[in-house]
Amino acid sequence: DVKVTQSSRYLVKRTGEKVFLECVQDMDHENMFWYRQDPGLGLRLIYFSYDVKMKEKGDIPEGYSVSREKKERFSLILESASTNQTSMYLCASRRGRGNTEAFFGQGTRLTVV
Amino acid sequence: RKEVEQDPGPFNVPEGATVAFNCTYSNSASQSFFWYRQDCRKEPKLLMSVYSSGNEDGRFTAQLNRASQYISLLIRDSKLSDSATYLCVVFDNYGQNFVFGPGTRLSVLP
Repeated sequence: DVKVTQSSRYLVKRTGEKVFLECVQDMDHENMFWYRQDPGLGLRLIYFSYDVKMKEKGDIPEGYSVSREKKERFSLILESASTNQTSMYLCASRRGRGNTEAFFGQGTRLTVV
Repeated sequence: RKEVEQDPGPFNVPEGATVAFNCTYSNSASQSFFWYRQDCRKEPKLLMSVYSSGNEDGRFTAQLNRASQYISLLIRDSKLSDSATYLCVVFDNYGQNFVFGPGTRLSVLP
């Protein structure tokens, strides 16, 4: 089975802190994604990466950056956390060829106080 | 207009009922379609991919109508364990990313 693992289930951070959310997948997938999910707004794409060192902005990249130095790891960085970044963050990965589905990590519920 | 739209729900149905969810998408170039299930406070999990010819997996049937840009999910003989939010998902081949519908919540009642 594909496994996508996010480093934390729950995080509480202070406003202004730099926050790192880590995601690791074990299936050699080329594509990786970061979403946030908020009530009433559904899943929104923050950034995605289709290969190592490649990144593309999603629909809501402001206030975030990403890093993909190794194929299995995709990191989401909140440069200076703000209260409006309190959310559920979901990482996903997908094989880069064919009509294949995405596999999700268990999610990180981030609270910024 | 949102790229992927779904029935707003929620759907509250008795056990054993048949329930159908509808989804429409705006990007006619989309090639891949999926239904995901998400339980409360959990991550989305693939329920089934949707193929042009339609496909069935036990009590679940998915249909795709490319001409109308419409996808459906039919659940027969609903179980309590089917209670979840169902997400319609379209893969944007050009942008190489997934577009999620807002989800439809289903509650199956005893």
